[in-house]
Amino acid sequence: GEDVEQSLFLSVREGDSSVINCTYTDSSSTYLYWYKQEPGAGLQLLTYIFSNMDMKQDQRLTVLLNKKDKHLSLRIADTQTGDSAIYFCAETPHQKVTFGIGTKLQVIP
Amino acid sequence: NAGVTQTPKFQVLKTGQSMTLQCAQDMNHEYMSWYRQDPGMGLRLIHYSVGAGITDQGEVPNGYNVSRSTTEDFPLRLLSAAPSQTSVYFCASRRGIKGTSGAGEQFFGPGTRLTVL
Repeated sequence: GEDVEQSLFLSVREGDSSVINCTYTDSSSTYLYWYKQEPGAGLQLLTYIFSNMDMKQDQRLTVLLNKKDKHLSLRIADTQTGDSAIYFCAETPHQKVTFGIGTKLQVIP
Repeated sequence: NAGVTQTPKFQVLKTGQSMTLQCAQDMNHEYMSWYRQDPGMGLRLIHYSVGAGITDQGEVPNGYNVSRSTTEDFPLRLLSAAPSQTSVYFCASRRGIKGTSGAGEQFFGPGTRLTVL
């Protein structure tokens, strides 16, 4: 089946690192995505990882993939108030895209 | 490129009314999808299309119809609106990735906020 799970809420202090976790079920997903949604807006692609990679770094963002455990994480270094948003993990089995329910990140100044 | 556009931005309907939410993309993407977003439920797929003339049901298709007569347009029709259809609706498009079972980046429209009284 297709099911993506995320925790609902994360609160961090400005300057700290944030880690958002996700578990997925379908091992056929070739790509795994992180999307960001700011209030009142649609989703925008933040970063992605190909399923044969363990890690991908992109400036302040680090994506870790544990394919054996079907666990994906997004680390945001030096979290800023502008990072406050909802973050969605998405898996892509068989050309479909399945989203988690989203993790709301609150950054405390 | 305008990307993915949706109209209207806001709509209020009475129970039983019908209406069409419009979606268009100018990126020549094969895949288009409609999602609804409700608090605590994430995004749920309503209908999707893998190309002009081809549509299929997603996770929550009941009460909605779609058609894809052109690559650019993918309207969503509410046949007889119900309060349970109060939600924010997002249209998205993406290209396929040939040779893999993967899916490319999805581009989302700004959303339509629908209230059914």
